[in-house]
Amino acid sequence: AQTVTQSQPEMSVQEAETVTLSCTYDTSESNYYLFWYKQPPSRQMILVIRQEAYKQQNATENRFSVNFQKAAKSFSLKISDSQLGDTAMYFCAFILNNNDMRFGAGTRLTVKP
Amino acid sequence: EPEVTQTPSHQVTQMGQEVILRCVPISNHLYFYWYRQILGQKVEFLVSFYNNEISEKSEIFDDQFSVERPDGSNFTLKIRSTKLEDSAMYFCASSVRQGANYGYTFGSGTRLTVV
Repeated sequence: AQTVTQSQPEMSVQEAETVTLSCTYDTSESNYYLFWYKQPPSRQMILVIRQEAYKQQNATENRFSVNFQKAAKSFSLKISDSQLGDTAMYFCAFILNNNDMRFGAGTRLTVKP
Repeated sequence: EPEVTQTPSHQVTQMGQEVILRCVPISNHLYFYWYRQILGQKVEFLVSFYNNEISEKSEIFDDQFSVERPDGSNFTLKIRSTKLEDSAMYFCASSVRQGANYGYTFGSGTRLTVV
């Protein structure tokens, strides 16, 4: 079974600082895809960033970047220059080829002014 | 940018009643999904749908649940006899191809409250 673990239920960070959210996963497959979704208070699910397991280069989207460690099965999200609008739940998600997306339990991030 | 549209945004229903949650996926997407999120908990997979049939479903998706694509644009989730524990946010999602590199586009969700 494929599982996704987010070990930090809650985190906080000062505005303009950097924060890293952890995610680990478990699979015996070699080809898969990883995602981070943001869920603000509006409850909408918004794709933040995605990573393909066969790519060694870490994905980056503006202030968001990942640290993908395939051997360790780790996929952490780094948010630089945190903004108040980054306050949200963040879900790590995992998908195999031709399979369905499974989510971690989420990390609630609060950005403090 | 294309969106997945869900209606209603909030529905309150009496226990034992049937509810239908509606979704309009992105027009050129071929794969459709329903997910559920009980308040404060993780997002859980319910069902995936392709080519007018269920391709995968979770253990949550029991005989009380059904999905349909009645007219080529809508994708519905029906709960036949709601229980209190069905109260949750229900998210519809669609993708061009099944998962993988394409990711999913989620709708804004329907908050279902069973009383």
